[in-house]
Amino acid sequence: EPEVTQTPSHQVTQMGQEVILRCVPISNHLYFYWYRQILGQKVEFLVSFYNNEISEKSEIFDDQFSVERPDGSNFTLKIRSTKLEDSAMYFCASIGRFYEAGELFFGEGSRLTVL
Amino acid sequence: KQEVTQIPAALSVPEGENLVLNCSFTDSAIYNLQWFRQDPGKGLTSLLLIQSSQREQTSGRLNASLDKSSGRSTLYIAASQPGDSATYLCAVRLTGSARQLTFGSGTQLTVLP
Repeated sequence: EPEVTQTPSHQVTQMGQEVILRCVPISNHLYFYWYRQILGQKVEFLVSFYNNEISEKSEIFDDQFSVERPDGSNFTLKIRSTKLEDSAMYFCASIGRFYEAGELFFGEGSRLTVL
Repeated sequence: KQEVTQIPAALSVPEGENLVLNCSFTDSAIYNLQWFRQDPGKGLTSLLLIQSSQREQTSGRLNASLDKSSGRSTLYIAASQPGDSATYLCAVRLTGSARQLTFGSGTQLTVLP
């Protein structure tokens, strides 16, 4: 069964360092998302991406964050200068053609720990 | 702003029991509602998707209902098993420009053998 894959599964970094989280969405999907979940809190929307550009972003997604689809398969989230409060599980998700009514599929997540 | 609430926050039941998890949302202008399962430290597994025009969806021992006008959804799990132990999340997909999912905080289910 097709799935969304994310790497790394866990990354530990020092505050101020840049981090890149990688995702391979399901191959025929067109819309891509990043969500995050701080430990013990709700899953929160960060950004959606379609046709090689950001379609929506939340207040959390400030200038420290960026997304990119560098090739036909990968979708990345970059945090330029990590802060302690960026420690969270980051989930990539994708949806197929039927954007309005489609089912969102999530990856297993990348746990980011900022020290 | 859409708010999604799930009650109870935690539930512990003996194996074999039927149970209901509740989800409520404040804005009824939704495209659909999706139920997920999350195991500790893991990703989100989609269980059921209900479109705004539908009343319910079934998959195996799971049945989800949607009452859009009252802003409620329930997830019914029949004949619960220890393997059902997980956190169950509901999320709504809004109409309009902000079409991302808005999540509830989940119900942590423990099924005791």
